[in-house]
Amino acid sequence: NAGVTQTPKFRVLKTGQSMTLLCAQDMNHEYMYWYRQDPGMGLRLIHYSVGEGTTAKGEVPDGYNVSRLKKQNFLLGLESAAPSQTSVYFCASSDLGLAGGRQTGELFFGEGSRLTVL
Amino acid sequence: QQPVQSPQAVILREGEDAVINCSSSKALYSVHWYRQKHGEAPVFLMILLKGGEQKGHEKISASFNEKKQQSSLYLTASQLSYSGTYFCGTENPSGTYKYIFGTGTRLKVLA
Repeated sequence: NAGVTQTPKFRVLKTGQSMTLLCAQDMNHEYMYWYRQDPGMGLRLIHYSVGEGTTAKGEVPDGYNVSRLKKQNFLLGLESAAPSQTSVYFCASSDLGLAGGRQTGELFFGEGSRLTVL
Repeated sequence: QQPVQSPQAVILREGEDAVINCSSSKALYSVHWYRQKHGEAPVFLMILLKGGEQKGHEKISASFNEKKQQSSLYLTASQLSYSGTYFCGTENPSGTYKYIFGTGTRLKVLA
């Protein structure tokens, strides 16, 4: 009963380094999302995917790339980390829900990945 | 385009009631409510669909008025366990499954 699993949970990077966050879900959900949450702030959507092989930009996509080669995995990459990317990153997944054509499925979240860029 | 929540923060004594509002500048088709405790991931509370229906979860209920593009979360006889940050969430009205959250409301319940 893993649900949504994020790895790693903690990471410290130096400016300019690259890294990849992995999100894996075992609920066969179509939709997956990456959010960032800064201290005292809300959740801002970075990128999302509506199915295997698809990705789309969210509200704050700059500096990040994503891939969804397999339905169960959604990867978030930072090509050249910057201090402004210090944040807690949450992955979430959901299915379409009952009202076809509209997003009614609840989001299931991973535990979060705390990233610090020095 | 982010839904705006009010108030930004509220402090209650155990047993008191609170209302959290979520307003959107665009049409809403459904609204979800989540609660996030400090250092944890958000947890789903309930969903409201078009039709103004009201749902409940424990002593927490919510309403949805799609004409006013608003949803309200009602916390009755608050308990210490209700402390946390509450977010409304909704699909981007353009229908692209871009799921966004409101600005958040921090709730603190004191003994």
